[in-house]
Amino acid sequence: SQQGEEDPQALSIQEGENATMNCSYKTSINNLQWYRQNSGRGLVHLILIRSNEREKHSGRLRVTLDTSKKSSSLLITASRAADTASYFCATDAKDQKLVFGQGTRLTINP
Amino acid sequence: DTEVTQTPKHLVMGMTNKKSLKCEQHMGHRAMYWYKQKAKKPPELMFVYSYEKLSINESVPSRFSPECPNSSLLNLHLHALQPEDSALYLCASSQDGGRRDTEAFFGQGTRLTVV
Repeated sequence: SQQGEEDPQALSIQEGENATMNCSYKTSINNLQWYRQNSGRGLVHLILIRSNEREKHSGRLRVTLDTSKKSSSLLITASRAADTASYFCATDAKDQKLVFGQGTRLTINP
Repeated sequence: DTEVTQTPKHLVMGMTNKKSLKCEQHMGHRAMYWYKQKAKKPPELMFVYSYEKLSINESVPSRFSPECPNSSLLNLHLHALQPEDSALYLCASSQDGGRRDTEAFFGQGTRLTVV
């Protein structure tokens, strides 16, 4: 079963704009991770935020985590055409399972 | 070497065939995973190996049989599959299944079509 729900399911923006994706989950977690997937191939790890962290940055990426609301957001600033992909959150709980959310399909229009 | 290599990239098999998917990593990772992904859906966990032992089987049908011959290799043996088993099969590894806060590295997947 999938733990995470992501919204929006699809997002289309102009190049240069910021993109925000949200993820909600149901159970306690050790950490939450974000992955990118291009054209149905392998997933690439973007960023990991621990359960005791509230915000983390990596380049143009900013991730927040609110454990009280069981939710996370991924912000991509100054988007580029190459950012077009599907983005998944994944929760890592105590049971060794890395469980993925439904994903957001992001399209950056030139 | 930070790669997870999966072979073959594409596989077409009949419902009576037996085939195997292979996955290899040389990062010294001790946890390895098989995921199944249908189009426009998230990856679904199938199996987890930790220190070469099967630690999680997500109630996967027995027509899928995993094997971990050593710490670098992970196989998925396929037998008597159904057309609905057609999907992208992804292998992943992470540093230590028992230690937290480690990212997973994914292979490019095997696109399986069952005819």
